Amino acid sequence: ETGVTQTPRHLVMGMTNKKSLKCEQHLGHNAMYWYKQSAKKPLELMFVYNFKEQTENNSVPSRFSPECPNSSHLFLHLHTLQPEDSALYLCASSQDETGTSNSPLHFGNGTRLTVT
Amino acid sequence: GENVEQHPSTLSVQEGDSAVIKCTYSDSASNYFPWYKQELGKGPQLIIDIRSNVGEKKDQRIAVTLNKTAKHFSLHITETQPEDSAVYFCAASWNDMRFGAGTRLTVKP
Repeated sequence: ETGVTQTPRHLVMGMTNKKSLKCEQHLGHNAMYWYKQSAKKPLELMFVYNFKEQTENNSVPSRFSPECPNSSHLFLHLHTLQPEDSALYLCASSQDETGTSNSPLHFGNGTRLTVT
Repeated sequence: GENVEQHPSTLSVQEGDSAVIKCTYSDSASNYFPWYKQELGKGPQLIIDIRSNVGEKKDQRIAVTLNKTAKHFSLHITETQPEDSAVYFCAASWNDMRFGAGTRLTVKP
């Protein structure tokens, strides 16, 4: 059983909808991440939060909006998405002692998003 | 930034045989190299990792080797079993973790 829980597991939404993905980690970690996983492509880092502060935003379109209210919870708010945004969205956490990414990532099982 | 290349993209072996997956990286500052296994319907799970001050690490049937000079590292799985079938990802990190595109391993019984 993973220590990182993501909901929902599956989401189908139209291009005009607004929805949110939720992630919760039970590992006491201080860093949380959103990754996008598309078929036959490397995992793409979207956002990083360290001690609730956003430390990285990898040129992600503004239709994706992250929120980190505390070190255990992470949200990804979605609005006016495009069909090419359909992918598996993975949340991860780590214990980041040095401000770098040199700690093991613990992933959730992802949200499979389909944009119609 | 870091660029990680992973080969092969697919690998099929007979049960009991060994499997080797290779990765190269571009940033010589990278010093942490984890390997993840992703089963169908699940997120990637860390299976082994190595840091740049070590050349080889082994955990039961899994081993990883690192050649810093050549900037490549490899995953070795011995005595493969059907439950080893999954997608495997390598990654390299110094300040920003970058992943390879993955290798789909199939172990035939």
